[in-house]
Amino acid sequence: DIQMTQSPSSLSASVGDRVTITCQASQDISNFLNWYQQKPGKAPKLLIYDASNFETGVPSRFSGSGSGTDFTFTISSLQPEDIATYYCQQYDSLPFTFGPGTKVDIK
Amino acid sequence: QVQLQESGPGLVKPSQTLSLTCTVSGGSITSGNYFWTWIRQPAGEGLEWIGRVSTSGSTNSNPSLKTRVTISVDTSKNQFSLRLSSVTAADTALYYCARQRRIEWIEIFDYWGQGTLVTVSS
Repeated sequence: DIQMTQSPSSLSASVGDRVTITCQASQDISNFLNWYQQKPGKAPKLLIYDASNFETGVPSRFSGSGSGTDFTFTISSLQPEDIATYYCQQYDSLPFTFGPGTKVDIK
Repeated sequence: QVQLQESGPGLVKPSQTLSLTCTVSGGSITSGNYFWTWIRQPAGEGLEWIGRVSTSGSTNSNPSLKTRVTISVDTSKNQFSLRLSSVTAADTALYYCARQRRIEWIEIFDYWGQGTLVTVSS
């Protein structure tokens, strides 16, 4: 299985701050990476697919980059509604695997 | 708008079989290039992909669960199902059904159910 790691595991930032989350795969997964947002009590929601492409309707403050084993997810200007846990997920090979998540709070 | 809804017992005894059904509405389960997927999330923890079924009935499942997992599809009812045998407390989790869409090389979970909590306890 491909192992996914994320850092940090949690962070607290102020409204308007730039927030960056990193995700690392245990082997080369090319661009085969998605990012999901999960708000408390809700199902995950797709934000970014294929490492850097926006899902329809996702605000432009969210972005993704990277390839191979190292990926980055950025919120350019944190908003109160962005309080959530963010997961990366690889689809290079089965079983699909998720990172452990990064919990984002407002300071 | 596609909607998915999980259903099934919320409490299962250890060593028994967990059975869940996902009903798809707002579109036919047979239309498009989709896999119908189960994902679970223990309380306070991350997401684990359990497995998937295509509309032709072919399946893939997580090797960590493979011998215990059966996923099937009933196109006449627009439903797909999960059976997980020999459950233990470690199988206690929120179980989600989701649609996995394939667009060329891209695979995404684009629609999810709300999740159903299954507790394994005597």
